[in-house]
Amino acid sequence: DTGVSQDPRHKITKRGQNVTFRCDPISEHNRLYWYRQTLGQGPEFLTYFQNEAQLEKSRLLSDRFSAERPKGSFSTLEIQRTEQGDSAMYLCASSLVSYNEQFFGPGTRLTVL
Amino acid sequence: SQQGEEDPQALSIQEGENATMNCSYKTSINNLQWYRQNSGRGLVHLILIRSNEREKHSGRLRVTLDTSKKSSSLLITASRAADTASYFCATDGEIQGAQKLVFGQGTRLTINP
Repeated sequence: DTGVSQDPRHKITKRGQNVTFRCDPISEHNRLYWYRQTLGQGPEFLTYFQNEAQLEKSRLLSDRFSAERPKGSFSTLEIQRTEQGDSAMYLCASSLVSYNEQFFGPGTRLTVL
Repeated sequence: SQQGEEDPQALSIQEGENATMNCSYKTSINNLQWYRQNSGRGLVHLILIRSNEREKHSGRLRVTLDTSKKSSSLLITASRAADTASYFCATDGEIQGAQKLVFGQGTRLTINP
């Protein structure tokens, strides 16, 4: 499968715990994006990388959120001290620099109890 | 915040009929894209239309773009049960940043057999 993959697909955690999600983009894509989607809404942009550089962060990304893409390939999104309001689907997408189509992974559904 | 608004929010039609969804946006754009999302899954890219294009076709899909009215429409002809999903428009442009997509809230389409 050469599409975008995300792991885990589902995560249930207790409030206050830390969680980490992983995204593996399409191999030749140098841009990687994270979005968050709550029920009944469209996805909202969180951050994006070009290769290993994080070039933009949304105001939605509080200081409890951190994202990395250390070697310009896979990326991780960590949420520290989770809150119930963090419950959402976290979507990863990738694209080539020269094109605008973003290809999405299946998402990680986070439930904070 | 959401850039676009889809209309209608929900649409239910009989199999074989055509489905039309509309999207309006607020700021100037470079591109407008349409995505499909099956319940609880990731987004599937359907079609991209650039700001200098007025119409584009892909299989049973027809997209129009009117930049003077800041609106787009997606037409699905000869609908099938498998077309049941939520449909989102997404824009990128100079103001919100050419690198990130800004999504509308989506149209939930139900095709009745």
